[in-house]
Amino acid sequence: EVQLVESGGGLVKPGGSLRLSCAASGFTFSSYNMNWVRQTPGKGLEWVSSISSSSTYTHYADSVKGRFTVSRDNTKKSLYLQMDSLRADDTAIYYCASGGWGFSLDYWGQGTLVTASS
Amino acid sequence: IQLTQSPSSLSASVGDRVTITCRASQGISTYLAWYQQKPGKAPKLLIYAASTLPSGVPSRFSGSGSGADFTLTISSLQPEDSATYYCQQVNSYPLTFGGGTKVEIK
Repeated sequence: EVQLVESGGGLVKPGGSLRLSCAASGFTFSSYNMNWVRQTPGKGLEWVSSISSSSTYTHYADSVKGRFTVSRDNTKKSLYLQMDSLRADDTAIYYCASGGWGFSLDYWGQGTLVTASS
Repeated sequence: IQLTQSPSSLSASVGDRVTITCRASQGISTYLAWYQQKPGKAPKLLIYAASTLPSGVPSRFSGSGSGADFTLTISSLQPEDSATYYCQQVNSYPLTFGGGTKVEIK
């Protein structure tokens, strides 16, 4: 069974940093692109970042480019999102998701809440 | 690539046929996915490649379209289908989602 479990969310002051993790199991992690998607409570979905299976390629939404860094450790079957210079509008539930056909998002974790507030 | 979903919400009765549309600002062939999200839960992949159902998705769900116009159809609405549905273009970065369609049961 595919499982994706996010951790690392919490309350942080604007301007601060946070590192999210996503632990994967139940599939060959090293063979798949991985993604971060966020959702402001009560609002829609926003793609944040993607990383290719061997970390060769990374992509970011304009809203986070230069502030967030995606990485992965295939030996640990883990995905990460380093979030720096956090702003109030980064407040959201952050989901990790595995990549599928095209750039579809096959499996999703349960999400972790990040709140950037003073 | 911008995606415009309509309607933003709908209310229908059990057994009704429900149709949700998604229009892309440019052609994306069949690089479209649909997701279902229930309150308090993560989204779940419902359809990929515009019309392909992953294993385990009920056959009452179907998708169609190519180019810029796409449709998600629920052939016979069930109580457990109450959720918000999102389309997503999976053609190119930045990946984008439609604004969502909230489906309620009358």
